[in-house]
Amino acid sequence: NAGVMQNPRHLVRRRGQEARLRCSPMKGHSHVYWYRQLPEEGLKFMVYLQKENIIDESGMPKERFSAEFPKEGPSILRIQQVVRGDSAAYFCASSPRGALDEQYFGPGTRLTVT
Amino acid sequence: RKEVEQDPGPFNVPEGATVAFNCTYSNSASQSFFWYRQDCRKEPKLLMSVYSSGNEDGRFTAQLNRASQYISLLIRDSKLSDSATYLCVVGAAGNKLTFGGGTRVLVKP
Repeated sequence: NAGVMQNPRHLVRRRGQEARLRCSPMKGHSHVYWYRQLPEEGLKFMVYLQKENIIDESGMPKERFSAEFPKEGPSILRIQQVVRGDSAAYFCASSPRGALDEQYFGPGTRLTVT
Repeated sequence: RKEVEQDPGPFNVPEGATVAFNCTYSNSASQSFFWYRQDCRKEPKLLMSVYSSGNEDGRFTAQLNRASQYISLLIRDSKLSDSATYLCVVGAAGNKLTFGGGTRVLVKP
């Protein structure tokens, strides 16, 4: 049973470009979460999605960031017009039943904005 | 007050020793509790769930104290490979899981 998959593992973007991060949850999991982690800091919740629905986006910056989890295909975290402060590790996690279940994390995407 | 608070450490532990640390949570309605382990520049990995009666997995023991609203993790016979950041995770009905900032443990020979 494959774990949570994220790609790309490393992404370099110039300021002003767009970044698209993809996450495929574990088989049978329909709940997906995105987190951001800055160097030497803790995990910060960004957004919680179920298939085709955003359940909680209280951690998402108001501008430039969006997320989706379509009926088919991976979840996408999209960052438009990236700035240097967006450089971080972005982790995706999935859970089988709901928001209080244990979450399983993917290996993360390390975004570097130059 | 943060929802989930942890002593950031680091806890410097001699190899073979026992180390224990706590995590406090603010929501008395919390009902899901976990410990995760995160190695440097890697993803968090589930270490163990924490049950009301307490539970043990090899050298690791987790306890829940609902009255004082904290959970604890104890590591016996520490190994060098136990060096990591340990994340406390708490969830309440109608809410998502909340991650603590982590406690860093350094096991030294």
